[in-house]
Amino acid sequence: QKEVEQNSGPLSVPEGAIASLNCTYSDRGSQSFFWYRQYSGKSPELIMFIYSNGDKEDGRFTAQLNKASQYVSLLIRDSQPSDSATYLCAVNIITQGGSEKLVFGKGTKLTVNP
Amino acid sequence: DGGITQSPKYLFRKEGQNVTLSCEQNLNHDAMYWYRQDPGQGLRLIYYSQIVNDFQKGDIAEGYSVSREKKESFPLTVTSAQKNPTAFYLCASSIRQLNSPLHFGNGTRLTVT
Repeated sequence: QKEVEQNSGPLSVPEGAIASLNCTYSDRGSQSFFWYRQYSGKSPELIMFIYSNGDKEDGRFTAQLNKASQYVSLLIRDSQPSDSATYLCAVNIITQGGSEKLVFGKGTKLTVNP
Repeated sequence: DGGITQSPKYLFRKEGQNVTLSCEQNLNHDAMYWYRQDPGQGLRLIYYSQIVNDFQKGDIAEGYSVSREKKESFPLTVTSAQKNPTAFYLCASSIRQLNSPLHFGNGTRLTVT
């Protein structure tokens, strides 16, 4: 099983709809979860991070974490065309040597249609 | 403004040449990282450093080298031993390694022909 998995998409939603992006991870010991947005040709930018089970809201974005099921999701309410980008999920993984590293999924491409 | 500066934005080299990518941060972050991104692939960790004069190999360190002589600087050298060097290279930093969000520079797109 891959360490961090995301549907590659593309995910297409109409403007104003809710976009739901999902991510599953393999390490039950993971404690930190991040969502990044990456526009084509640009570097990733941090949208949200979440450490505890439940929901965390920031404006139109909500991160949801369920450690028992090992998934983290990102909801984007009132989607705008400017939200069209690739969304990267990142999870901290404990290595066999006991150190931590941040592992990225391959990303989900979101298109918001006007 | 605080941030991470990568230079140059685009870099072209001939096969067999070593090339060094610059990364400077003024965020006073302890940890710095180098990632590589290829089309259709996630970010893959090349090297990281938690403290000055110390660095660790990531998942794909072969053909790369780094140094961390100053807290602000973490240059990456792509050597001729790297078999597929053409890629988008991203430098990042965080306050500390554990549980901290990464902040990325704007990236360097390296093309080797």
